[in-house]
Amino acid sequence: DADVTQTPRNRITKTGKRIMLECSQTKGHDRMYWYRQDPGLGLRLIYYSFDVKDINKGEISDGYSVSRQAQAKFSLSLESAIPNQTALYFCATSDAVQMGHNEQFFGPGTRLTVL
Amino acid sequence: DAKTTQPPSMDCAEGRAANLPCNHSTISGNEYVYWYRQIHSQGPQYIIHGLKNNETNEMASLIITEDRKSSTLILPHATLRDTAVYYCIVTTTGANSKLTFGKGITLSVRP
Repeated sequence: DADVTQTPRNRITKTGKRIMLECSQTKGHDRMYWYRQDPGLGLRLIYYSFDVKDINKGEISDGYSVSRQAQAKFSLSLESAIPNQTALYFCATSDAVQMGHNEQFFGPGTRLTVL
Repeated sequence: DAKTTQPPSMDCAEGRAANLPCNHSTISGNEYVYWYRQIHSQGPQYIIHGLKNNETNEMASLIITEDRKSSTLILPHATLRDTAVYYCIVTTTGANSKLTFGKGITLSVRP
């Protein structure tokens, strides 16, 4: 979805380096999410934010941190990257839950390789 | 959130209907059934959702059994572009609702 962008799209780094993945959205949504996907598996939630002042841990937050700088931006950081953080990372957004619907809109993904 | 069970893979011929099953025997009364799909490592895309009534939109139909313990996503005329991983997700739509993705079912549409 072009309304949700991720940078960089691909990144190769070395063990111990600090890495930041960025997500921006123009959908005006309050809620933003970071997921990782390993080969052959579904997406797992890392962190999520329901508004600028709200940060919540997901299923696999260890080794990651996030920053919600503005409604439109949500950054994921790996303070000291390790090889098992090699994965495909997705950002997603959703509007506040209304009318019984919770649809998330996903970015194109960032492929991160940690050597 | 209730757990879902899907077969790992299935295939169908182009132009035929693709019927993708999902079991969710522990679904609660306030949980919805959502379907997303992921085409070749792209971001997942919402398809359809329902609570207890059958639903249809421009992409697919969702049939939920009367006891709500299982459902079927129907792609009425599958095309090669429908080849993807399809995720069946059961979730509430409350303030703290989140999506939990399993491994999904890989649909291969053959020419």
